[in-house]
Amino acid sequence: SQQGEEDPQALSIQEGENATMNCSYKTSINNLQWYRQNSGRGLVHLILIRSNEREKHSGRLRVTLDTSKKSSSLLITASRAADTASYFCATYGGSQGNLIFGKGTKLSVKP
Amino acid sequence: DSGVTQTPKHLITATGQRVTLRCSPRSGDLSVYWYQQSLDQGLQFLIQYYNGEERAKGNILERFSAQQFPDLHSELNLSSLELGDSALYFCASSVQGSSVGTEAFFGQGTRLTVV
Repeated sequence: SQQGEEDPQALSIQEGENATMNCSYKTSINNLQWYRQNSGRGLVHLILIRSNEREKHSGRLRVTLDTSKKSSSLLITASRAADTASYFCATYGGSQGNLIFGKGTKLSVKP
Repeated sequence: DSGVTQTPKHLITATGQRVTLRCSPRSGDLSVYWYQQSLDQGLQFLIQYYNGEERAKGNILERFSAQQFPDLHSELNLSSLELGDSALYFCASSVQGSSVGTEAFFGQGTRLTVV
């Protein structure tokens, strides 16, 4: 079963615009992670935010976490065509440590 | 390059057959995860091993099994294959396997096509 659910499922923007993707999850977490996947390729880790953090930055990426609402958002600023990919949030489920992914947001950045 | 190696990259096989997918984790990583990715199901967690022992089980069919060897490489065995088993199978590794959680490093996947 999915722990995280991303929203929207697909997003199409112009180069230079900002892209915001949201993730909701079901159970309590120790941390939440965002990954990127180029078409048919392996996932690449982008950023990890711990449950006691509210916001984290990495280059053009900004992640927020609201544990009271069980939600997180990923903002990509000044998007580029190369940002075209699927973005997934992931959480560790329960005490067993298995990393559970949402279904992802497919981002298309048009030049 | 994530440091995680999966072989083979592509596999075409017939229904009813059995295949083995192999994964070599990043040097020093003790935890290995297997995932199945198909178009309509997203990324489904199958199973996790930590230092040779099964740690967590997800939506893994009884026809599927896995193991992690003393050198920490892992194999995923898929048997009595059906058309619906066609998917991308990913292996990922991480240093830890606990709920503290660290980032996972993914291989490039094995694309399995069952005909």
